[in-house]
Amino acid sequence: LAKTTQPISMDSYEGQEVNITCSHNNIATNDYITWYQQFPSQGPRFIIQGYKTKVTNEVASLFIPADRKSSTLSLPRVSLSDTAVYYCLVGERFYTGGFKTIFGAGTRLFVKA
Amino acid sequence: NAGVTQTPKFQVLKTGQSMTLQCAQDMNHEYMSWYRQDPGMGLRLIHYSVGAGITDQGEVPNGYNVSRSTTEDFPLRLLSAAPSQTSVYFCASQDRYNEQFFGPGTRLTVL
Repeated sequence: LAKTTQPISMDSYEGQEVNITCSHNNIATNDYITWYQQFPSQGPRFIIQGYKTKVTNEVASLFIPADRKSSTLSLPRVSLSDTAVYYCLVGERFYTGGFKTIFGAGTRLFVKA
Repeated sequence: NAGVTQTPKFQVLKTGQSMTLQCAQDMNHEYMSWYRQDPGMGLRLIHYSVGAGITDQGEVPNGYNVSRSTTEDFPLRLLSAAPSQTSVYFCASQDRYNEQFFGPGTRLTVL
């Protein structure tokens, strides 16, 4: 399983765009990249997933370069409620559609007023 | 849909006691997993299952057993609790689009 490396923490201000980059040098051909968000005392919540190029949904964008050795989660115009830990995961897909994934330590994002 | 439910929410055990953490999902997902999260740390995979009757070990399986007799339920058993197992335990199920849905967690303290 490919390991991931993320910054331990980041600070931002309300209204700014935040980009969190994750390094995954040993990503395998069949691996997907997934990002989760976790608030204190809660389980993680799925944000976005991609395989290559760019993926966008209603809350974030995910940028994956051609070599797929890194990815960047982009949160547009963050608010105080975006203060959380963000995890980058890289995992293979089994025939049933399941992942065997490894959560790293994550990036603690602190959004200030 | 209740999603993923876990019981109990809180539990205190003495060293050497055994117990079962319950996890159930009503989304008909084949894939389920158990994680533990120590204070200030990320989640570590304990065991996972890719369907009823099929389980496998994750990153930190020692001291834990699992079984999967039905699609809905995936209990985690602590055989002989140790203080090192004090943690928050999360159960998750995963859909065919590979999105994991997590339960609210069980806070376990082993004295």
